Amino acid sequence: QSVLTQPPSASGTPGQRVTISCSGSSSNIGSNTVNWYQQLPGTAPKLLIYSNNHRPSGVPDRFSGSKSGTSASLAISGLQSEDEADYYCAAWDDSLNGVLFGGGTKLTVL
Amino acid sequence: EVQLLESGGGLVQPGGSLRLSCATSGLTFHFDNYAMSWVRQAPGRGLEWVSAISGSGTSTYYADSVRGRFTISRDNSQNTVFLQMNNLRAGDTALYYCAKSTRTYPGAWFDPWGQGTQVSVSS
Repeated sequence: QSVLTQPPSASGTPGQRVTISCSGSSSNIGSNTVNWYQQLPGTAPKLLIYSNNHRPSGVPDRFSGSKSGTSASLAISGLQSEDEADYYCAAWDDSLNGVLFGGGTKLTVL
Repeated sequence: EVQLLESGGGLVQPGGSLRLSCATSGLTFHFDNYAMSWVRQAPGRGLEWVSAISGSGTSTYYADSVRGRFTISRDNSQNTVFLQMNNLRAGDTALYYCAKSTRTYPGAWFDPWGQGTQVSVSS
């Protein structure tokens, strides 16, 4: 059972804006940065957002991240069919002395 | 371009052992500048962090589910990280990914990831 809580699914139509939440605690999100990974069907995960709100080179600015207290969010604007994937948040946990992943959110583009 | 290539997966009986390897190529800086992690994904399930090792190799970290059974190590002269898995259980069946941290400590983000090596534990 993941300590970082994400909704199992999200959906939107092309062009819409969707957000995916990630809820944690003081020992993980509350005291460390949050990273987001995108996993397209049948492929390895890919870094999408790092250090709460930074985009790696090559990631469209339609993707954005934010963090407040013990929660974080991933926003995708101008939704495209190619955004259909699983999205995972992750953060270091000071109590467990390890990395925690959220359970993942499956994004469907209707 | 940095690339990670995992190997060593396979089918093993419960209680058996496997040793996974992850070879890194294309690094701009020395391999010991980066912590490395193993992350697994059971069929149809989400990502689960398994273990990490600091850039120097002096610090290791484990998920509770594998502590005492798995051992992570690295050979910085060969740009390779290993995962020795003993006393394997059915619940260890998963695709095992190698992931490079962007710092010497494992708490930083993972970029890139390898393509994974399949581990199946069954009698």
